[in-house]
Amino acid sequence: EVQLVESGGGLIQPGGSLRLSCAASGFTFSNYDMHWVRQVTGKGLEWVSTIGTGADTYYADSVKGRFTIARENAKNSLYLQMNSLTAGDTAIYYCVRVDYDILIAYYDLWGQGTLVTVSS
Amino acid sequence: DIQMTQSPSSLSASIGDRVTITCRASQSIGRYLNWYQQKPGKAPKLLIAAASTLQSGVPSRFSGSGSGTDFSLTISSLQPEDFAVYYCQQSYANPMYTFGQGTKLEIK
Repeated sequence: EVQLVESGGGLIQPGGSLRLSCAASGFTFSNYDMHWVRQVTGKGLEWVSTIGTGADTYYADSVKGRFTIARENAKNSLYLQMNSLTAGDTAIYYCVRVDYDILIAYYDLWGQGTLVTVSS
Repeated sequence: DIQMTQSPSSLSASIGDRVTITCRASQSIGRYLNWYQQKPGKAPKLLIAAASTLQSGVPSRFSGSGSGTDFSLTISSLQPEDFAVYYCQQSYANPMYTFGQGTKLEIK
């Protein structure tokens, strides 16, 4: 089955760190750009970070310098290391796969999401 | 950054109604526009890519149109399972693929 399964979310104190994981299955993981997208409960969707097939990385300004995205193709896994967490990082974090219609990118596969709550 | 603005933010409609949701980009994005549907407690689901390409398995009552800065998602005859939140997304500004704020479609 083609799927993405996130793990690693939970309750963490402000200033703390957390590492999210995303396990991919049913497709050739190394062939796809992967993103992390987050959603504050009941609110909209926000792009967080990207890692390309060549391991090039990009970050939203709101997380730059605090979050690190990585991939391990041999394990079909995507990661998001989150440091110096603040209440503003509280959200559901989705792992998403990027596919293309010629040059136009879209998110064709989403994980179920993992909830990160930053609170004392 | 490219800003995406959806209207309306919420919409009440009845089964069988035809509804249209619009999305406007702050600059021209060609056809780099996607639509997603999200139901409570679930991840978003891709409905339409590249402004008008209906994804496999998505009912034909959904359609998308537009290019440049103005886009629309139309549901030709609302079904009970269509009540959800809909988001547009631009993928022109690689890789900062920003979303609209969402349109909540509710039963009248």
